[in-house]
Parts: sequence; structure tokens; C-alpha cells
Amino acid sequence: EADIYQTPRYLVIGTGKKITLECSQTMGHDKMYWYQQDPGMELHLIHYSYGVNSTEKGDLSSESTVSRIRTEHFPLTLESARPSHTSQYLCASSGGGRYYQETQYFGPGTRLLVL
Amino acid sequence: AQSVTQLDSHVSVSEGTPVLLRCNYSSSYSPSLFWYVQHPNKGLQLLLKYTSAATLVKGINGFEAEFKKSETSFHLTKPSAHMSDAAEYFCVVRALNFGNEKLTFGTGTRLTIIP
Repeated sequence: EADIYQTPRYLVIGTGKKITLECSQTMGHDKMYWYQQDPGMELHLIHYSYGVNSTEKGDLSSESTVSRIRTEHFPLTLESARPSHTSQYLCASSGGGRYYQETQYFGPGTRLLVL
Repeated sequence: AQSVTQLDSHVSVSEGTPVLLRCNYSSSYSPSLFWYVQHPNKGLQLLLKYTSAATLVKGINGFEAEFKKSETSFHLTKPSAHMSDAAEYFCVVRALNFGNEKLTFGTGTRLTIIP
């Protein structure tokens, strides 16, 4: 069982609000990821990090930002939420082995609804 | 570049009958391939993975998949479906070039089990 946590699980918020989605893992993984998943659709990588103070943008453009100050923590922030940000956000982590053997473990996700 | 095609968006089988979920991939490098399952309101759970070892991979809950390089396929099978198998299944590819930790997801196959 993977030890990766996301809070909140569900969030309903008004347009223009600043929000932070939390992701933490207790496995000591150096790599962490954020994916966005619209209903019935595949996952798209929006941010990733290979370690502390390392962040990169993923394949899907996103107005969100991330930070990696601690190994176990990879929060995602939206400065001004809009209805187009409504989606499910999934956090994942990997590490501890040869790169081709590593598996990404996923958190339970945060479902965001922006009104 | 890499991509994944899940050939069926929806599969329905009767309880106790075999399950086949089809996946084809393309990759410029030797791929790692994964199947993940997503139950409603849950995160993604790894079912099984192929990382250049045995071509027939056994996973959790009685699922298995066979890597066929000549057909560029990685179909997921189970001999006898159970009601608890009803979920969304994602085929995922990762290219085996150093530093590339990005996963590419298929669009998913929704598996329905008929009692």
C-alpha cells in the first residue's frame, strides 16, 4: 500500500480564490508528479519534480504552480481559480530504484469544482 | 515520442467469464508498460508492470498481461471476472531512456461486470 496523501479530497470554491492542493508522501521518494484528469479522460502530466528545489512543467499547460521545499511535500497552487480549472488532480511519487524499475504510486486525488 | 491506444472505451462481461482489455503502444525507445486500475472516487492502483524482463506479467487480483513486441501490444486479461473488477483501467507507457520519468496514459477502458 502506497503512502501518499492528498488534501482536500473534495473542494468547491468560487472564482478568483487562491487555492493550494496538498500532497505528501512518506516513502522518501525523490520524484513527485501532478496530473490533471477530466471526467472520463486520460491523465495529463502538468508538473513534476526530481528532488528538492527542482520543478518542471509537464506536457499539459497549466496555470498552476508548484514548489518542492521538502522531499515529502509537493503542493500545487492556483493563484486565482477559474471554472476552467474544474478537474481532478492526482499526485504521484516514485523512487528508490533504477529508473526503469521505478513505479509511480498515486494518491487518492483532489476533485476541484470552481463555481 | 510515445503513445498508447486503448482499443475499447467500454467493455462489458458477465461475472465468471474472461476479461480482455486491449492496449497498443508506440515508443521510440524500449518501453516500460503498466496497467493501472481506478475505482470510483479512488486513486490509481498499479495492477502490473512490464520492465523488459518476462513478457508474461502477472499482477494483483488475478490479472495478467503479455508484452508482444511484434504486435506492439500489452493486452490485459483475467480468466474469470468478479463484480469487484468493475472499474476504469488505464494502459500506460514509459520510454526507457534515462531521465525520462514521464508516463503517457491511454484514454481508459471502463469495465462493467454483468451479474
